[in-house]
Amino acid sequence: EADIYQTPRYLVIGTGKKITLECSQTMGHDKMYWYQQDPGMELHLIHYSYGVNSTEKGDLSSESTVSRIRTEHFPLTLESARPSHTSQYLCASSRQPLTDSPLHFGNGTRLTVT
Amino acid sequence: QKEVEQDPGPLSVPEGAIVSLNCTYSNSAFQYFMWYRQYSRKGPELLMYTYSSGNKEDGRFTAQVDKSSKYISLFIRDSQPSDSATYLCAMSLMDSNYQLIWGAGTKLIIKP
Repeated sequence: EADIYQTPRYLVIGTGKKITLECSQTMGHDKMYWYQQDPGMELHLIHYSYGVNSTEKGDLSSESTVSRIRTEHFPLTLESARPSHTSQYLCASSRQPLTDSPLHFGNGTRLTVT
Repeated sequence: QKEVEQDPGPLSVPEGAIVSLNCTYSNSAFQYFMWYRQYSRKGPELLMYTYSSGNKEDGRFTAQVDKSSKYISLFIRDSQPSDSATYLCAMSLMDSNYQLIWGAGTKLIIKP
């Protein structure tokens, strides 16, 4: 049973729309992450957070933004969606430090921008 | 050149076979090695992790790390159709607080 929840599971939206992908976890983990996953490609980290009011950009350049107002909630927002944003977005959480705690992933949001 | 290379497959084997999944890496400073399993339309889940060279066994699964060759493997004994999934390797530096470097995943199909 998943302890980290992502909504929506699937989203098809037109170019230029603003979207927010939701992620919530019930494990009390301090660290949360957003990854982008494309078919046949490795996971790329786009944002992460060490805790409330902490957000950092990952290695993959992204036009998205994130916020961390509550420990359990880490939404990702695209102000103006483009076809290049079409991808699967995975949210994850862990305790600190990462080397002592595995990543727990949600089941992802598959985004299609037309 | 990618830091972590993983054969994308698909790898198709009959039920009961021994499966070997592999990753090679270029950064000799990596110290922490993981295997995740990802079923279709699900997020990845941790299967095994290890800090050191050598073997680590968990049931039908064995993780092997050879730091001298910069090569890691995951062996699955008595493979089952339920093992059909994509297997992702990941690794990091010991002092990394956030950064895992991922392979692209190998799709495994176990035929009944």
